[in-house]
Amino acid sequence: AQKVTQAQTEISVVEKEDVTLDCVYETRDTTYYLFWYKQPPSGELVFLIRRNSFDEQNEISGRYSWNFQKSTSSFNFTITASQVVDSAVYFCALKRGGSNYKLTFGKGTLLTVNP
Amino acid sequence: DGGITQSPKYLFRKEGQNVTLSCEQNLNHDAMYWYRQDPGQGLRLIYYSQIVNDFQKGDIAEGYSVSREKKESFPLTVTSAQKNPTAFYLCASSTDRVGDTQYFGPGTRLTVL
Repeated sequence: AQKVTQAQTEISVVEKEDVTLDCVYETRDTTYYLFWYKQPPSGELVFLIRRNSFDEQNEISGRYSWNFQKSTSSFNFTITASQVVDSAVYFCALKRGGSNYKLTFGKGTLLTVNP
Repeated sequence: DGGITQSPKYLFRKEGQNVTLSCEQNLNHDAMYWYRQDPGQGLRLIYYSQIVNDFQKGDIAEGYSVSREKKESFPLTVTSAQKNPTAFYLCASSTDRVGDTQYFGPGTRLTVL
């Protein structure tokens, strides 16, 4: 069975602070894919990043960075110098290799960035 | 602009009525999905379709039905058999390549009175 755990239900920071959102996953597959999505108050899920299990390189995109560590089954997301527009619910998700249907989502982390 | 549209954005229905949620995509994606989101919860898969005229149940299909007569359309019917239909419904699509990203529509918020 697959599982994604986002232990932080809510995080509140002040603008310009750095913040890390944790994601721990469980799978028995050797091939799998990890995703992060952002859900702003409007409700639409916005795709942020996709990582396959064979690529452990960390990635940076502007103020966003992701740390993938297979040894600890974690795929953490860091926002540097947070802004009010970063306020949203962030979801981590896992998809098995070899199939193209189910995304297993964590319960999400509500990030509030205060001015 | 390519994307996924869902209509309506808000929907109110009386208990016992069936209701159909629309999902259309112009991304030329083969696969389409329906998810349900409840407050404070992640998304759960209701149905998915990998090709026209074929669809499969997800984790919580009871009380729902779908059709896939056209590649670009995947409507979801919430039937009166669904015991707790009030939720936020999200449609997604992807290519049929293994591990490819699912892209989501704006969602429909259904409230059953």
